[in-house]
Amino acid sequence: SQKIEQNSEALNIQEGKTATLTCNYTNYSPAYLQWYRQDPGRGPVFLLLIRENEKEKRKERLKVTFDTTLKQSLFHITASQPADSATYLCALDMRNDYKLSFGAGTTVTVRA
Amino acid sequence: DVKVTQSSRYLVKRTGEKVFLECVQDMDHENMFWYRQDPGLGLRLIYFSYDVKMKEKGDIPEGYSVSREKKERFSLILESASTNQTSMYLCASSSSGRTYEQYFGPGTRLTVT
Repeated sequence: SQKIEQNSEALNIQEGKTATLTCNYTNYSPAYLQWYRQDPGRGPVFLLLIRENEKEKRKERLKVTFDTTLKQSLFHITASQPADSATYLCALDMRNDYKLSFGAGTTVTVRA
Repeated sequence: DVKVTQSSRYLVKRTGEKVFLECVQDMDHENMFWYRQDPGLGLRLIYFSYDVKMKEKGDIPEGYSVSREKKERFSLILESASTNQTSMYLCASSSSGRTYEQYFGPGTRLTVT
C-alpha cells in the first residue's frame, strides 16, 4: 500500500530563515499533491496544489517542488515569521476517486 | 468564504452510547468527508460521500456509519462508542473534480470514557 512520510522531527528555526519540509511517498504515483496548514485545535487549511507535470509552484513566501522520480515534494517557507508556526500536512490524490491520503505532518516553530 | 461547521467542538460520551456528529457546508459542494486525527497517525479517512445518499468506505470505517440525506449535511454515527474512538474528528467538503482542495471544519474533540 502507499506510504507517505513527512519530516519525523519538528522543525525549529529562527525568524527570517527558510524552513524546508519534505514529503516522501512510496508505492504510488499521484497525479497531484497538496499542502495544508493546521493550527492547534483547528482544521487544516489548503495552501497549495502542484500537479505531476509541474516542477515548482509559488505563492507569496511559499514554494513547493514536486519530483516524481524521487517521489518527493519539498515545501519551503522563505523569510519565515513567528506567525508561520503551525503543523504542515502534505496530501496525495488517489487517482481513482475523490480521496486524499495525508501525511502525519511536520510541526514548525519559528523563533523571534 | 466556504464555511464548514461541526455540531460540537468538544464532546464527552460514555462507552456504549450512540454518538452523532454533524457537519454542514454552505458552498453547495458535492463531496464530503469524515476523518479522524490521532497524534503520529495523521488524518485517516473514515467515510466519504460524493452525492446525496451516496457513501463510500474510507480506510477505517469499522465502528462508524454515515448519513447524507441533504447535500449540505453529512453525519457521522458511532453506533456504540468505545474508548478507542476517542479522537479528533474532522469533516471536510470539496467541489466535484478531483483536484479541488478540501475545506475543513474546526473539528470535534470526542472523549469516550
